[in-house]
Order: sequence, then C-alpha cells, then structure tokens
Amino acid sequence: NAGVIQTPRHKVTGKGQEATLWCEPISGHSAVFWYRQTIVQGLEFLTYFRNQAPIDDSGMPKERFSAQMPNQSHSTLKIQSTQPQDSAVYLCASSWTPTNERLFFGHGTKLSVL
Amino acid sequence: GEQVEQRPPHLSVREGDSAVITCTYTDPNSYYFFWYKQEPGASLQLLMKVFSSTEINEGQGFTVLLNKKDKRLSLNLTAAHPGDSAAYFCAVSGGSNNRIFFGDGTQLVVKP
Repeated sequence: NAGVIQTPRHKVTGKGQEATLWCEPISGHSAVFWYRQTIVQGLEFLTYFRNQAPIDDSGMPKERFSAQMPNQSHSTLKIQSTQPQDSAVYLCASSWTPTNERLFFGHGTKLSVL
Repeated sequence: GEQVEQRPPHLSVREGDSAVITCTYTDPNSYYFFWYKQEPGASLQLLMKVFSSTEINEGQGFTVLLNKKDKRLSLNLTAAHPGDSAAYFCAVSGGSNNRIFFGDGTQLVVKP
C-alpha cells in the first residue's frame, strides 16, 4: 500500500497562472479531504468528498479554487489565477469514513507562487 | 460548528522534562479524538486515537487524557527526548458536524 499519493511534490507558478494539484487516495477509502497548511494559518480545512460526492466545501475560497473527484482513484484541486498568498503546502488525506476514523495524509504539494 | 483551540502554539523543553499540550473543544457530542505528529518535512502521522469512553490512554512515552466534562484533551509527553521535536495536532470528530476538526498545532522543541 503506497499510501495517499500527491503530485507534484513541489510546484512553482507565476502570478496569474493556473495550478492543478493531484491526489490519489488509498484504495477503498470513501472519504477524501483537502487541507492547506501555512505557518501563519496552520492547518486549514478546504473541502471533502464522500464516495466522490462533494460534502462540505466550507473552507474553500469562493473564487479561484475548485475541487473535483471524477472517480474513486483521484481528486484534483485547481487554483485559477494563482496569487502569492496561495503559496502553501496543500495536503490531501483519505479515510474509510469521514468522521470516526484516522486520516491518512499524503506528503503534500508545496505550491510557490512567485 | 465545532471549534477546537490548541495551546500552546510553541513549546520548548529540556530533554527528560515533560511536555503538555492541551486542546479544548466546544461540541459536547464529539466522540472521537486524535493526536497527530508531524515531523519536519513529513506529513501528519497518527499518534493516538481516543474514544470518549476512555479517559486515560497510554502510548509509548506519552499519555492522553480526556476530560469530557471540561471538553478538554491533553497530550503529555513524559521524559521528552529530541526525537519528539515536531508539530503536534489534536483533532476532534463525531459531533454534530460530519467531519474532523483540527487544532492549530503546537511546535514542540526538545533541547538536549
């Protein structure tokens, strides 16, 4: 079991460009979460899916951010027109169920917006 | 919704000393509690999962205490060593909101 796989590990974009981050959850896990981690804000919840359906996106910035889970084997987080303040480590996690099970985290994608 | 407050944000102790990190939560229906450890450059790894029915949970070199009356969860690293230096996060779930809520984390430094 390779765990949660996130690609790329590092991404550098210019201001205004688009960034797409990929996550492959552990096979069989029904819940997929996205978090953003910065030194200043800590660990921020963005959104989560259960059985591929979006359940709670209350943490997603209203503009420029979108997440999808087109099939059970991967989820994407897309940031349009990236800004320097989007620079962070974006973590994906999966679990068997959304609430009462441990989360398995990927190593994250470090996004740097120049 | 649930609010989780974690203190302190930074903690520095000497090797051999104890280190205590505390989280308070607001939803009395919360039932599952977690501590995660994040070493430098690595992702979060589960340290311990605690059920609300157990007040004291012992791990290897640490103890987790749960006080449901005060809605307080604490992680006590006994005789900390430099390898314990990491960021620690508490998490709470099972309450009225159908997801897991994390504290802001504690950066622990254990000096030799």
